[in-house]
Amino acid sequence: ELKVEQNPLFLSMQEGKNYTIYCNYSTTSDRLYWYRQDPGKSLESLFVLLSNGAVKQEGRLMASLDTKARLSTLHITAAVHDLSATYFCAVDSSGGSNYKLTFGKGTLLTVNP
Amino acid sequence: DVKVTQSSRYLVKRTGEKVFLECVQDMDHENMFWYRQDPGLGLRLIYFSYDVKMKEKGDIPEGYSVSREKKERFSLILESASTNQTSMYLCASRGTSGGTDTQYFGPGTRLTVL
Repeated sequence: ELKVEQNPLFLSMQEGKNYTIYCNYSTTSDRLYWYRQDPGKSLESLFVLLSNGAVKQEGRLMASLDTKARLSTLHITAAVHDLSATYFCAVDSSGGSNYKLTFGKGTLLTVNP
Repeated sequence: DVKVTQSSRYLVKRTGEKVFLECVQDMDHENMFWYRQDPGLGLRLIYFSYDVKMKEKGDIPEGYSVSREKKERFSLILESASTNQTSMYLCASRGTSGGTDTQYFGPGTRLTVL
């Protein structure tokens, strides 16, 4: 059974600081997804990582994937209040056959002024 | 833009009632999914469908069933609602063309069972 673990689950940081959210998973996969969820809203796709060494960047967020270590990171650079949200990683263990995803529990990020 | 819509944003039902949650996508996606989201547990897959009339159980199918009679519509059914099914229900869809597609989520239905 695939397990996906995110840490930390809660992250309170100051504006301007850097931090990294980690996503570890237990079985082989080369497809990993990051989503953002604002309070009371649905999930929005942030990044799709489809190979070992993949790196994607959008604004102050950068995601990477190391399939050998079964680890993905979401790095936040110079955080701003607008980044406050819950971030989920999700892993496709089907090899792309049915696109079934297993989600981590999410990281609640609060960026304080 | 992909659009996934769900029939209700908020729903209140009584224990034992039959509940239908509907999801419609407008992108001709083959794959559709139903999740429930609970605090501290993240998203858990209930059922998914990879084609019309095809379905597969997810991680927590007990107490739920699904129906997919048309490609664009995927329904989640609670045969006899119970209080432990109070949750946020999220529908998602995804196409099979191209390797970069992600799952697109609907706005969610917050179901309360009294």
